[in-house]
Amino acid sequence: NSKVIQTPRYLVKGQGQKAKMRCIPEKGHPVVFWYQQNKNNEFKFLINFQNQEVLQQIDMTEKRFSAECPSNSPCSLEIQSSEAGDSALYLCASSPANQDTQYFGPGTRLLVL
Amino acid sequence: QQQVRQSPQSLTVWEGETAILNCSYENSAFDYFPWYQQFPGEGPALLIAIRSVSDKKEDGRFTIFFNKREKKLSLHITDSQPGDSATYFCAAFYGSSGNKLIFGIGTLLSVKP
Repeated sequence: NSKVIQTPRYLVKGQGQKAKMRCIPEKGHPVVFWYQQNKNNEFKFLINFQNQEVLQQIDMTEKRFSAECPSNSPCSLEIQSSEAGDSALYLCASSPANQDTQYFGPGTRLLVL
Repeated sequence: QQQVRQSPQSLTVWEGETAILNCSYENSAFDYFPWYQQFPGEGPALLIAIRSVSDKKEDGRFTIFFNKREKKLSLHITDSQPGDSATYFCAAFYGSSGNKLIFGIGTLLSVKP
C-alpha cells in the first residue's frame, strides 16, 4: 500500500560499479528522506531534501554517495563505486510540509557482489 | 551510541494474547514517537504514533503507553493475530519537520495460531 514508489526493487552490482535507485515521493510531499537499513535492522539516515534543496546529509553521503531531487522528476540516490558493505535495503520516505510523519516506500534491496 | 533501545529482540505470543513491545530513549528532546511495522520484503509502514504531551494513544488493537519521566514507552497489541507477525520499530524525532527519525533495532513478533 506504499504510495512512495521506489525502483528498482532489487539491484545487483559488482564492487566498484555504480548503483542508482529512484524514488517518487507521495504526491504533495515536499520532504524526501533516504535511509539505509542493514541486515541487522540498523537504520542509517543518509540525506534529505525539501523540494530540490538538501537539508541534511551525513559524511558518508558526501564521499561516494550522491543524491538529487529535481523538480518534475524522480528523486535518485547513486553510489559511485559500490562496496560490499553497501549491501542493504535503501529506503525512501516522504513527509508533508510542516509535519513529522514520514511515509516509507518498499525499498531497493542492493546486493554488491 | 544507541539513542533508542527496544526490547525484547524477539517475542512469541499465542493468538488472542496481548503482545507488549518496549522502547526507551536517551534524548529528552525527543517529542514524537512513531511505531512502524515491517513485513519481510517490504518497507516500514506507520502503525501508530504518540507525542510527548500525551501518555496514551489508542488505535484499535494497538495502544502506546508513554512515560516521559522515565523516557520509556511501550506498544501493546491486544488480541494478537497471526497476521501481526512482523518486525516492529520504535522511532523518535525532535525539532522541525525535515529532521531525521532515530530508529531502534526492532522487535520481531511471532504470533502462533
